[in-house]
Amino acid sequence: EAGVTQFPSHSVIEKGQTVTLRCDPISGHDNLYWYRRVMGKEIKFLLHFVKESKQDESGMPNNRFLAERTGGTYSTLKVQPAELEDSGVYFCASSPRLAGAGNEQFFGPGTRLTVL
Amino acid sequence: GQQVMQIPQYQHVQEGEDFTTYCNSSTTLSNIQWYKQRPGGHPVFLIQLVKSGEVKKQKRLTFQFGEAKKNSSLHITATQTTDVGTYFCAGRGTGGFKTIFGAGTRLFVKA
Repeated sequence: EAGVTQFPSHSVIEKGQTVTLRCDPISGHDNLYWYRRVMGKEIKFLLHFVKESKQDESGMPNNRFLAERTGGTYSTLKVQPAELEDSGVYFCASSPRLAGAGNEQFFGPGTRLTVL
Repeated sequence: GQQVMQIPQYQHVQEGEDFTTYCNSSTTLSNIQWYKQRPGGHPVFLIQLVKSGEVKKQKRLTFQFGEAKKNSSLHITATQTTDVGTYFCAGRGTGGFKTIFGAGTRLFVKA
């Protein structure tokens, strides 16, 4: 069974540019999560989809971030315009049931975003 | 809001020594999970604790959940070089489904 995949693995952009990250969860997993980790700090929750609906987007930093999951399959996270503080590793995770109900989350390899 | 603090930030040990990382939540947790991230890798689920005072073991790893369900620990006995990586705790509060991760403890093991 294929795991969670993310694209691209690395992205280097200049401040003010736009970047779109993609996550393909494990097939059949209704729950999809986006996280961000800045070096040395916690894995910070951004948002949670259940199928195509946003269950919780309380972790989204501001309106420069837009996440979508059309059709309830893959998800995209767009940052527009990017700022220096957006740099970090963006992880996507999926689970077959609510992670909050105590089920493990399967993480993707992450996208390392560097904003110059 | 809910916060999960994890200490130490990093620890260097000699192979064969023991290692412990501690996790403390500002609020009562319904459950806590532990993940391991190898250098250059992504977090991988290790275990979940749900009950007050629960203790679980996986070979040389021992996981504990505090009686008040606000703290947890991971203890590794006789570390090996394969144990290197960052260990994260992740707790869910009782009032929602969001999982809050600690900052992680990075373990270095010297052969």
